[in-house]
Amino acid sequence: DQQVKQNSPSLSVQEGRISILNCDYTNSMFDYFLWYKKYPAEGPTFLISISSIKDKNEDGRFTVFLNKSAKHLSLHIVPSQPGDSAVYFCAASGTGTASKLTFGTGTRLQVTL
Amino acid sequence: DGGITQSPKYLFRKEGQNVTLSCEQNLNHDAMYWYRQDPGQGLRLIYYSQIVNDFQKGDIAEGYSVSREKKESFPLTVTSAQKNPTAFYLCASSPDSGKNYGYTFGSGTRLTVV
Repeated sequence: DQQVKQNSPSLSVQEGRISILNCDYTNSMFDYFLWYKKYPAEGPTFLISISSIKDKNEDGRFTVFLNKSAKHLSLHIVPSQPGDSAVYFCAASGTGTASKLTFGTGTRLQVTL
Repeated sequence: DGGITQSPKYLFRKEGQNVTLSCEQNLNHDAMYWYRQDPGQGLRLIYYSQIVNDFQKGDIAEGYSVSREKKESFPLTVTSAQKNPTAFYLCASSPDSGKNYGYTFGSGTRLTVV
């Protein structure tokens, strides 16, 4: 049972344009959401997070939006740069699940010149 | 510098053999985790530990074992009972087992069964 879903396995965006990565979840107990970025043969690195008490969080070029009623979150990258090319994972945790993170399947972003 | 060290980076195992993957952290984090990454399946939780001498099974614990004798160390043993062990293994830690504010990951170990 996939509780966190990233339905787009890949995305290609031109440099300078906006990248939008989407994530859906099914568990209403999730109250904290995170995005990680991963390069091949490396561990994921934390990018940005959002608590369920907010609907938006910004950090430089990265913004995460949360729509609790739709159980949907998205990551916006503006402007996209070639160095953003990586696999992006969304993850979720809830108060009833200790500290475990449940990860989505990932979206591979390719930023083209 | 603080961080998580996984070793080795690449590991080859013959069928029927047990192998142990090392994970050490110097971040003074309470909680540690093992994930497995397979193509198209994201990161799946194998085992996690919130405190020394205690650990819990994750979603895919069969064929794996762990120990947490020291706060800094959380080794993972892939046993011969694991049917499909070839994968990329990631260790992570977090500072607070009660609320999660994100993990710090190691650089991973790629295990190949030959």
